[in-house]
Amino acid sequence: AQSVTQLGSHVSVSEGALVLLRCNYSSSVPPYLFWYVQYPNQGLQLLLKYTTGATLVKGINGFEAEFKKSETSFHLTKPSAHMSDAAEYFCAVSDRSRTSYDKVIFGPGTSLSVIP
Amino acid sequence: EAQVTQNPRYLITVTGKKLTVTCSQNMNHEYMSWYRQDPGLGLRQIYYSMNVEVTDKGDVPEGYKVSRKEKRNFPLILESPSPNQTSLYFCASSYGDRGWGNTEAFFGQGTRLTVV
Repeated sequence: AQSVTQLGSHVSVSEGALVLLRCNYSSSVPPYLFWYVQYPNQGLQLLLKYTTGATLVKGINGFEAEFKKSETSFHLTKPSAHMSDAAEYFCAVSDRSRTSYDKVIFGPGTSLSVIP
Repeated sequence: EAQVTQNPRYLITVTGKKLTVTCSQNMNHEYMSWYRQDPGLGLRQIYYSMNVEVTDKGDVPEGYKVSRKEKRNFPLILESPSPNQTSLYFCASSYGDRGWGNTEAFFGQGTRLTVV
């Protein structure tokens, strides 16, 4: 069965510091991978996604993630944290093994705090 | 503006009193889904719909009902709410023809439900 783990339920970084949010998955077939962000009292917004092709994916707000098949990882990074990055971040994996439906599994989420 | 609209945003109710959370999208998406978000568990799928009159159970369907009579609307019904259904609920839609696992999902703002 597919699963998604996010190391660290809470991560704190200083403003201007590197942001690294970890995501590891298990999947029987090459997955599609997503990062979503949830700002306080809002819905989820797509940050970036990997389907095929280039393994380094750039998203909105300066975030990027790299798909590493050998490590079954899809870590999210941003070179310099901004106060506005404080939010909940969810990694999600698409199960593409079914014939007609791509089920998506979410990780438990990582809450990012940015310290001035 | 393209959006997924949920109502109400906040709801406090008593055990056993039937309630409906509405969800409407204006993007002509065929796929719609309901999730619940609980701390440490990420988002878990309740029900989904691939098209009008086509619905199926997700991972945590017990205690919930849905209907899809029109393409744009996908209400979530709790016939007899219980305290363990206290949660944050999200509706999502997608243009994907296999769910949203090969595209992306658009999420509503969320409905925070408290059952006392």
